[in-house]
Amino acid sequence: DSGVTQTPKHLITATGQRVTLRCSPRSGDLSVYWYQQSLDQGLQFLIQYYNGEERAKGNILERFSAQQFPDLHSELNLSSLELGDSALYFCASSVGETGMSPQHFGDGTRLSIL
Amino acid sequence: AQTVTQSQPEMSVQEAETVTLSCTYDTSESDYYLFWYKQPPSRQMILVIRQEAYKQQNATENRFSVNFQKAAKSFSLKISDSQLGDAAMYFCAYRSATTSGTYKYIFGTGTRLKVLA
Repeated sequence: DSGVTQTPKHLITATGQRVTLRCSPRSGDLSVYWYQQSLDQGLQFLIQYYNGEERAKGNILERFSAQQFPDLHSELNLSSLELGDSALYFCASSVGETGMSPQHFGDGTRLSIL
Repeated sequence: AQTVTQSQPEMSVQEAETVTLSCTYDTSESDYYLFWYKQPPSRQMILVIRQEAYKQQNATENRFSVNFQKAAKSFSLKISDSQLGDAAMYFCAYRSATTSGTYKYIFGTGTRLKVLA
């Protein structure tokens, strides 16, 4: 058990819809990272928050957004969903903000777009 | 836009032998950081080694070393005396060196390393 909690575990929805994925980091970790993993593109870093502020960005689509709340949990919002958004979405947390400290991954949310 | 490419989806190495994982990147920035991360089945992402772009000397951490070729935008990882515990997914990553605001953090697609006993 990594200590990182992601909900829901599975999500099935239709194209054009909007979903919210939730992540609770390990106790004491200030950074939350979001990743997308698909069969054809592997693991892609989306975005990182540190102590409530956006700290790093990857190739995140404009249809995707995230935020980190004062209690440090984070939400990833995906809108105008397309078939290609079907993937496993991971959240990870770490103590530091620069990518040097170990990142602990949750079990992921599997998103299926019909 | 910055890109990171790992052209080897999978590699195998015999225990105690040496293996090199390849990574190339593209950027117009002059200052940045490069990382190699290891992700074992536990899915914890662990930093193996990092290189600051302004440093000419290649970084080394015990059995792990890099060959950093800035002009060629190449950043390969060499693992010497491979051990069974080295089996994992290895990701190459780029991070811009901005001192304020949001930095770019780009990952390659990973190389799965198998270590054969």
